[in-house]
Amino acid sequence: GQSLEQPSEVTAVEGAIVQINCTYQTSGFYGLSWYQQHDGGAPTFLSYNALDGLEETGRFSSFLSRSDSYGYLLLQELQMKDSASYFCAVRPPSFSSGSARQLTFGSGTQLTVLP
Amino acid sequence: EAQVTQNPRYLITVTGKKLTVTCSQNMNHEYMSWYRQDPGLGLRQIYYSMNVEVTDKGDVPEGYKVSRKEKRNFPLILESPSPNQTSLYFCASSLRALSYNEQFFGPGTRLTVL
Repeated sequence: GQSLEQPSEVTAVEGAIVQINCTYQTSGFYGLSWYQQHDGGAPTFLSYNALDGLEETGRFSSFLSRSDSYGYLLLQELQMKDSASYFCAVRPPSFSSGSARQLTFGSGTQLTVLP
Repeated sequence: EAQVTQNPRYLITVTGKKLTVTCSQNMNHEYMSWYRQDPGLGLRQIYYSMNVEVTDKGDVPEGYKVSRKEKRNFPLILESPSPNQTSLYFCASSLRALSYNEQFFGPGTRLTVL
């Protein structure tokens, strides 16, 4: 099975850089995704790391280290609108079958950006 | 506009009264899924579908049914709702059955079972 851990809350000020960590324990692993959710609205996809290393998309970057079972989401030049919950999610190996063909989400990190 | 729609958005019902939450996507996506979200527990998958007539259980399928008779629709059925099914429900879809790492979510359905 899969188990993911994220900090429950992170606070930072506008313009700063913040890193949201995600550690995982899985029986197999294919990739790590990140989603953003504002106040109970629809989660939206941010990024996916299939390989080790850093993926950059504008102000957001995501990192994966399979050897450390660890990933993070990096948000730069924080804006008030970045206040939201952020979820990491793991995808099992492609050879998985049955109920393992699914994303497993972490419990989420509530980011609060202060002026 | 490409989107996932859910209906109803809000529903208050009573224990035991059968209900259906509809989900439809207009993007010709193969993969569709239902999640429930409860405080502190993140998103937990109820059921998913890799394609028409192909469905499978997620982590919390008890008390729910689904069907996938058409590619665009994936209704969630609660045959006999109970108060512990009070939750925020999301439908999601992705283009290919093997690209479910990137999912598009509907706006959510807030269900209260009294």
